[in-house]
Amino acid sequence: AQSVTQLDSHVSVSEGTPVLLRCNYSSSYSPSLFWYVQHPNKGLQLLLKYTSAATLVKGINGFEAEFKKSETSFHLTKPSAHMSDAAEYFCVVTEGYNQGGKLIFGQGTELSVKP
Amino acid sequence: DAGVIQSPRHEVTEMGQEVTLRCKLISGHNSLFWYRQTMMRGLELLIYFNNNVPIDDSGMPEDRFSAKMPNASFSTLKIQPSEPRDSAVYFCASSFNLAGTYNEQFFGPGTRLTVL
Repeated sequence: AQSVTQLDSHVSVSEGTPVLLRCNYSSSYSPSLFWYVQHPNKGLQLLLKYTSAATLVKGINGFEAEFKKSETSFHLTKPSAHMSDAAEYFCVVTEGYNQGGKLIFGQGTELSVKP
Repeated sequence: DAGVIQSPRHEVTEMGQEVTLRCKLISGHNSLFWYRQTMMRGLELLIYFNNNVPIDDSGMPEDRFSAKMPNASFSTLKIQPSEPRDSAVYFCASSFNLAGTYNEQFFGPGTRLTVL
């Protein structure tokens, strides 16, 4: 079965410094992986996705993630944090071969950005 | 495109009352997912449909919860009778999926349900 582990429940950075949100996955198949962001009192928005093409994936708002099969990781990074990046981030993996497209969500990492 | 539309955005009701949440999929999407989010339990998948057919309802808490897709673009999630522990934000998401392809889900803004 597929699973995903977000290694930090909370990350705090200063504005202008790099962001690193860590995610490890477990999958019996070649997975599709996603990062979603949820701002307070909002729905979830897709940041980026990996679907077996380029291992370095660029997303919206300057975020990117690198798929490393040998490490079963899909960490999310951004060179310079902005105050508007403060939100909850979810790492997500698809659940294998089925027709439903079911997603498995990590527990989330709350990102705080200090001025 | 208007995105996934959910209604109502907020619902306050009393214990024992019936609650119906509504969701309109993005045009052309064929998969529909209902989630519930609470501080204690995080984001939980309740049920999902593919081509109007329920695929997995193992996340539905109990018989008080039911979901339907009367047509390809619309779904309802009903709670009857409602209880205070059902208070949560309920999200609907849609995507387009074919066997072997896994596309992202697009989430609605959510319905914040409070059961008194």
